[in-house]
Amino acid sequence: TQLLEQSPQFLSIQEGENLTVYCNSSSVFSSLQWYRQEPGEGPVLLVTVVTGGEVKKLKRLTFQFGDARKDSSLHITAAQPGDTGLYLCAGVRSGGYQKVTFGTGTKLQVIP
Amino acid sequence: KAGVTQTPRYLIKTRGQQVTLSCSPISGHRSVSWYQQTPGQGLQFLFEYFSETQRNKGNFPGRFSGRQFSNSRSEMNVSTLELGDSALYLCASSLQGTGSLHFGDGTRLSIL
Repeated sequence: TQLLEQSPQFLSIQEGENLTVYCNSSSVFSSLQWYRQEPGEGPVLLVTVVTGGEVKKLKRLTFQFGDARKDSSLHITAAQPGDTGLYLCAGVRSGGYQKVTFGTGTKLQVIP
Repeated sequence: KAGVTQTPRYLIKTRGQQVTLSCSPISGHRSVSWYQQTPGQGLQFLFEYFSETQRNKGNFPGRFSGRQFSNSRSEMNVSTLELGDSALYLCASSLQGTGSLHFGDGTRLSIL
């Protein structure tokens, strides 16, 4: 059972375009993380959002945590070829120690 | 600061064999988690070790096992390999099992 669904699965856009990736779940998480993975490498943490409704900006990337802490979105403004990669959301549940569940992933290709 | 190191990077085995993968976490990190990544199933949690104890386990058969040593290094073993075990196996470390995960670049296991 996949608890975290990401959409779209694949995205191919031209350099300079904007895009939004969604991460949805029926479960509540204590926090939500976003990772980016490039070919041949492991995922790298981009951001952690903790509070419902929280918005975090990282240069051209904007992350939002849903009010109910069940969903999140990642918006990229003016995408660049360097943004190409696999984007993974990860829901974190606490309770003694954290349990991390990864989303299905969104593969982004930015064409120069 | 050295990152998470996984060895070997690539491995080719045949059905029925067994394999051992190694993970050296970031110095000071006591939690090590293992994940299996495949195109069809995404990133699936295998297990997590903290201070030599398995704290959490995913839904994988008993052929998948692991251990952690006193220096926090971890090994993962897969016995009686099946074709479906072909995947990228990722190891991630964190300080206490909370907060962000730091991933290695993985071991690509191919079963012939």
